[in-house]
Amino acid sequence: DGGITQSPKYLFRKEGQNVTLSCEQNLNHDAMYWYRQDPGQGLRLIYYSQIVNDFQKGDIAEGYSVSREKKESFPLTVTSAQKNPTAFYLCASSRRDWGGYEQYFGPGTRLTVT
Amino acid sequence: SQQGEEDPQALSIQEGENATMNCSYKTSINNLQWYRQNSGRGLVHLILIRSNEREKHSGRLRVTLDTSKKSSSLLITASRAADTASYFCATESGNTPLVFGKGTRLSVIA
Repeated sequence: DGGITQSPKYLFRKEGQNVTLSCEQNLNHDAMYWYRQDPGQGLRLIYYSQIVNDFQKGDIAEGYSVSREKKESFPLTVTSAQKNPTAFYLCASSRRDWGGYEQYFGPGTRLTVT
Repeated sequence: SQQGEEDPQALSIQEGENATMNCSYKTSINNLQWYRQNSGRGLVHLILIRSNEREKHSGRLRVTLDTSKKSSSLLITASRAADTASYFCATESGNTPLVFGKGTRLSVIA
């Protein structure tokens, strides 16, 4: 089954703790993305990666970090520096980051920080 | 940066009616894509229209693009309760990734 997976579906953390969200794809896509979605809002790009060992900041990268050591995996760490981390996080992948390629999304991780 | 802006923000219709959602954007684009999101789930790609195309169809979906007005519309014909979801437009400009709008929440009442 080809697709993109995120784990866990729900995550609870105390304020001041770093937390890492997992994203894996077996679609052989070069590009991967992390988005944040707040209630009733659209998607805001946090980071994206066009190729292994390379990634670019999106519109709201502050307080987040990523790595891309393998083509299949693009984990996102929400650090304690992120002021308002409670949100729904979506990971996506596509063949390329531009050029008319559709993005495939994972099911999302809902992070609650108290 | 939010490029596309959907209108209306929310839409409620009866089953069997047509639903029309609009997307306006600010800068020139390579293509525009529409996505659907069921509550609490990931987005699913519906249709892509390139800047040199004016209209595309896919099943009950019809998308138009007017680059002179920098706008697109998504029409869902003969809507069903299962079409209840949020619909997002996303624009690609230059060599940068897609930028998503805030979405239209569609409710189809049986």
